[in-house]
Amino acid sequence: GENVEQHPSTLSVQEGDSAVIKCTYSDSASNYFPWYKQELGKRPQLIIDIRSNVGEKKDQRIAVTLNKTAKHFSLHITETQPEDSAVYFCAARPGYSSASKIIFGSGTRLSIRP
Amino acid sequence: EAGVVQSPRYKIIEKKQPVAFWCNPISGHNTLYWYLQNLGQGPELLIRYENEEAVDDSQLPKDRFSAERLKGVDSTLKIQPAELGDSAVYLCASSQGSGGNEQFFGPGTRLTVL
Repeated sequence: GENVEQHPSTLSVQEGDSAVIKCTYSDSASNYFPWYKQELGKRPQLIIDIRSNVGEKKDQRIAVTLNKTAKHFSLHITETQPEDSAVYFCAARPGYSSASKIIFGSGTRLSIRP
Repeated sequence: EAGVVQSPRYKIIEKKQPVAFWCNPISGHNTLYWYLQNLGQGPELLIRYENEEAVDDSQLPKDRFSAERLKGVDSTLKIQPAELGDSAVYLCASSQGSGGNEQFFGPGTRLTVL
């Protein structure tokens, strides 16, 4: 089955700097890649997603890139702010799934240093 | 628009006792998911419903876990009997249709088994 690996598990960056979180997936037919943000004690919330027919997507300070050949996708946060501190999860929808099942990575705890 | 509602938010029980969690998805969302989230990990799918049909329950430990969504709206997840290792956050999510649509998560139920 699909396996999603995420790294780093923790990341600390200076406020204003950029943060990059990387994920790899095992099923080459995977076709949908969402990213979720989970603040402490809160529910995961979708922040951006990308489909396999697109190589890059941007939404203000957040961007996601997808490399299908390498089976690799990344989240980029620019000009980080204190409110970006949270746990971020990547996910992938396997190609064998005809519906909306997604497999989550293990998460990256991002801390923004003032 | 009301989000996904879960109750209770917290539950503390002794091992071998039964416990039940309730979820009411966003109105009109026909797909409902139950996830288990251990501390520091990503959500792991337990069961997925399309309307009232359980279409993916391969990760549900059926010896002690059961779920139902009788009318295709709200759902109940039950554990009987609970074990120490069941301590985790149980998240419910819903989405409209299938095919990679955004999953909206509830606040979760934090279960502690003593």
